[in-house]
Amino acid sequence: NAGVTQTPKFQVLKTGQSMTLQCAQDMNHEYMSWYRQDPGMGLRLIHYSVGAGITDQGEVPNGYNVSRSTTEDFPLRLLSAAPSQTSVYFCASSSQGGLTEAFFGQGTRLTVV
Amino acid sequence: AQSVTQLDSQVPVFEEAPVELRCNYSSSVSVYLFWYVQYPNQGLQLLLKYLSGSTLVKGINGFEAEFNKSQTSFHLRKPSVHISDTAEYFCAVKADSNYQLIWGAGTKLIIKP
Repeated sequence: NAGVTQTPKFQVLKTGQSMTLQCAQDMNHEYMSWYRQDPGMGLRLIHYSVGAGITDQGEVPNGYNVSRSTTEDFPLRLLSAAPSQTSVYFCASSSQGGLTEAFFGQGTRLTVV
Repeated sequence: AQSVTQLDSQVPVFEEAPVELRCNYSSSVSVYLFWYVQYPNQGLQLLLKYLSGSTLVKGINGFEAEFNKSQTSFHLRKPSVHISDTAEYFCAVKADSNYQLIWGAGTKLIIKP
């Protein structure tokens, strides 16, 4: 059982480049979310989805896009990378509106130079 | 809106000593409460959760937490820590009517030999 799989694990981008962080889950969870983790700030929600075809903004959505064409996949797109987007990104999924455990991927460490 | 405060950014403690990691929250509605652990260079995993019922909740790895509604607290405790407990611990809350988890800034548990 793979759980939540994120790729890549590490990435270095130049300012202005675009890229997509991949997230896939095999637990048939309806709820998926993307967080960024910065030192001393906990986890901040970027975007989330409550089901295929439904997405919404979280606390820090600027500079990021998401889509949810299938239950399994929830990619995060950086449109034009900026140094302020240097962070560790986590994808998570859960069922029952988050009352059950949220399962996290291993994270993507992104550096924008 | 909900908010979470973890009062200590770091807690150093000697091996085999007891530890308490503090978490306070604010909310005008009923909430569910969670503690997650993040080991170095890994994603987060659930330690324990309070949804309803007994205010003393037991989790994995010998951890427990007590929900105190009057003090709006959900402190995490372990009677005797081990080197393997070295990690960052996050408190999170979720409103009854919302999918989103609101996270504290995290507390790093440092075990001294």
